[in-house]
This record gives sequence, structure tokens and C-alpha cells, in this order.
Amino acid sequence: EVQLVESGGGLVQPGGSLRLSCAASGFTFSSYEMNWVRQAPGKGLEWVSYISSSGSTIYYADSVKGRFTISRDNAKNSLYLQMNSLRAEDTAVYYCARLTHAFDIWGQGTMVTVSS
Amino acid sequence: DIVMTQSPDSLAVSLGERATINCKSSQSVLYSSNNKNYLAWYQQKPGQPPKLLIYWASTRESGVPDRFSGSGSGTDFTLTISSLQAEDVAVYYCQQYYSTLSYTFGQGTKLEIK
Repeated sequence: EVQLVESGGGLVQPGGSLRLSCAASGFTFSSYEMNWVRQAPGKGLEWVSYISSSGSTIYYADSVKGRFTISRDNAKNSLYLQMNSLRAEDTAVYYCARLTHAFDIWGQGTMVTVSS
Repeated sequence: DIVMTQSPDSLAVSLGERATINCKSSQSVLYSSNNKNYLAWYQQKPGQPPKLLIYWASTRESGVPDRFSGSGSGTDFTLTISSLQAEDVAVYYCQQYYSTLSYTFGQGTKLEIK
């Protein structure tokens, strides 16, 4: 079964850091471009970051540029999001999503709450 | 960034009736080299991740019922549910994946039963 499973979310204070992980299974992870998308409570979807299949090309939304770092380990079938200098407005469910003809596979998401 | 604007923000339709959701992009998402519109539609039910319904503006994802259809080109797109079923109650999002610098979503349209 094709599957993405996020982990690493939790409660963190403003200014703190958190590292999210996304474990892929059921497909050849190294062949696919990947993304992180977030959704604040009761709000819409916001694309956060993109990484190419090899990891050589990376893009970020302006709202997280300079604070978040996307990476991947194709040997471990895993995608990561390192989040630093967290703000209250980063509170959201974070999803990883596979990009083929669109975002065709999504994980269940992991909740990140930034609060003192 | 390409801005995606959906209309309406919410919609109430009777069971068995047609539901139509519109999406407008601030610039064309039609890639001239392959004549494909880089526009997708997603369905999100409460407590669930989004589910891909339509890609290339009009191609139905595998397993999606044929009552869902997408149309449009360039900057104006439509998602149509031909005969609303109870299980179609959800929030629907359009998304452009033309600009690799930012894969923007519309604000969402909440679909309810009248």
C-alpha cells in the first residue's frame, strides 16, 4: 500500500525548533518529488516547501523562507522539515504530499502547536 | 505568486442536484509546450487529509466517481458534481502547480446539503 506517515509534531514555545519526519512506503520514494503543506486550525491549505527527487532543487513559501529547511534521505525513504524560530502563526497540521501529476498521495498529518 | 480565487466560499445544494465550484487564477496555468493546464481539485472531509479528485484541469484521478468533472483552461476553471450525494459534503480546493516556486491553493469552498 502506498503510504506517507508524518511524525514529530507537538507543542513548542515561540522561538523554538521542531523537526518533522515523513516516512514513505509502498513506492520508490527516490523517484518522486515531495512537498510539505500545512493547514492552520479552521483554515485552508498552504503550500510550505518542495524538494526534487534527488534533493538538488528546493523551494519555500515566503512565509517560512530562512526559518524552515526541507531535506530527504532516499536511503531511508524519508522526508524531513526542520522548523526553527517558530511563531504562533506556524501552528497547523503539517502534511507531506507526493507530487506526480498533482499532489496525489497525502499523509494523515502531524499537529504543530506554537504557544507559551 | 499566482493567486487562486474560488467562488463561492460556501454552497448548499439539494441531494441529486448539480453543484458547481469556480476557480480563477491570477495568471494562466496553461503550459504551451504540452497544452496542459496545471490545475488540480481536491476534496477534504473533516479530520482527513485532502484527496486528489481532478488533475490537468479535467482528468479524473483513479477511483473518483464520474459524477465529478473538471473543465476550463487558462485562468478559469470549474469543478462540477453532477448529482450531489451525501458523502460529497466537504471542502473543495483548487490548486495550481504551474509555478514550481509556489504551488498555491484557492481559499476553499464548503459544500453542504440544502
